[in-house]
Amino acid sequence: DGGITQSPKYLFRKEGQNVTLSCEQNLNHDAMYWYRQDPGQGLRLIYYSQIVNDFQKGDIAEGYSVSREKKESFPLTVTSAQKNPTAFYLCASSMVFGAGGHEQFFGPGTRLTVL
Amino acid sequence: AQKITQTQPGMFVQEKEAVTLDCTYDTSDQSYGLFWYKQPSSGEMIFLIYQGSYDEQNATEGRYSLNFQKARKSANLVISASQLGDSAMYFCAMSPLINTNAGKSTFGDGTTLTVKP
Repeated sequence: DGGITQSPKYLFRKEGQNVTLSCEQNLNHDAMYWYRQDPGQGLRLIYYSQIVNDFQKGDIAEGYSVSREKKESFPLTVTSAQKNPTAFYLCASSMVFGAGGHEQFFGPGTRLTVL
Repeated sequence: AQKITQTQPGMFVQEKEAVTLDCTYDTSDQSYGLFWYKQPSSGEMIFLIYQGSYDEQNATEGRYSLNFQKARKSANLVISASQLGDSAMYFCAMSPLINTNAGKSTFGDGTTLTVKP
């Protein structure tokens, strides 16, 4: 089955610790995205990558870092510099080249709680 | 810059009735796509329907249809014959199709739909 996997589903972190959220896709999509969602609110873009070894900051990149060494993988690190990291994190992927709407396909998300 | 506005924080509909969720947008791109996603309480985002800016006909996918009015910059989602399982949060989104930001979506704040039995 093609899709996007995120792990872990729930993550607890102590203040001052870095933590890495995993995102893997087997849809052969070029682009991948990380979003943050706070309770009752919409999605805010953290980082996105349209091609391997390249990525761009989104609207709220401060305190986060990413890498895109493989087409299938786009891990997100939440660093200790992120002041309020408790949130729901969603990873997505899409085509960006060729015809079509380039709709995004999402993983199940990771709920991060800072203790 | 792109902007999506969803003015209805919450909506209620009776089971088996139709409901319209509003979405207006703003963009300077000539070629763009409009999308609707559903987010149940489990949290996963589910793609529902897509409309291209140059598509002359409104998109339909089963019980979902997109009422696209380009001149008014609106892309409302119509759900016919509502079911209890339609209760969820619904997001409108858009993205450019052919510039360097192709695929990068801007999302609205969402509308919470509750279907009453």
